[in-house]
Amino acid sequence: AQKVTQAQTEISVVEKEDVTLDCVYETRDTTYYLFWYKQPPSGELVFLIRRNSFDEQNEISGRYSWNFQKSTSSFNFTITASQVVDSAVYFCALRRGGATNKLIFGTGTLLAVQP
Amino acid sequence: DVKVTQSSRYLVKRTGEKVFLECVQDMDHENMFWYRQDPGLGLRLIYFSYDVKMKEKGDIPEGYSVSREKKERFSLILESASTNQTSMYLCASRRGQTQNYGYTFGSGTRLTVV
Repeated sequence: AQKVTQAQTEISVVEKEDVTLDCVYETRDTTYYLFWYKQPPSGELVFLIRRNSFDEQNEISGRYSWNFQKSTSSFNFTITASQVVDSAVYFCALRRGGATNKLIFGTGTLLAVQP
Repeated sequence: DVKVTQSSRYLVKRTGEKVFLECVQDMDHENMFWYRQDPGLGLRLIYFSYDVKMKEKGDIPEGYSVSREKKERFSLILESASTNQTSMYLCASRRGQTQNYGYTFGSGTRLTVV
């Protein structure tokens, strides 16, 4: 079975703090894809990153970084020097390899960044 | 700018009504999806379509049907709306079967059934 767990329901930080959002996934597939999406109050899910199962390199994009560890089935997301505009719900998602289109989401983490 | 457009941002319907949620994409994507978002449950897949007139059930298809008569449009139908279908509905689209294509989401329709 495929599953994504985001154990943190809500996180509140003060601006300029670093924050890590956890994501743990379950799959028996050897080929799969992991995603992070941001959902601001406007409602639209904004794509942040995709990582395939064969690429365990960590990635940094500006203040965002992602730590993919197959050994612990985790794909954690860190925001450095958080800003109020980072306030949103963040979803981690899993897609199987092959011809499937199905994206399996975690329950999301609401991040509130206080000024 | 590529877009997935959901026709209504907010809808209020009565129990028993037939409800249509419309989604249009302008990217010529083959695949379209309907998700339902509820607090504590994340996004759950209702139905998806990989081509015109083709559809497949997702994880929670009960109480819903879909229609895809044209490539750019994917409609979600609540045959007889019930209060437990009050939710946020998100439409998404994706190009082809190639693994590296991402998903584009609309802004959502918040449906309240009273």
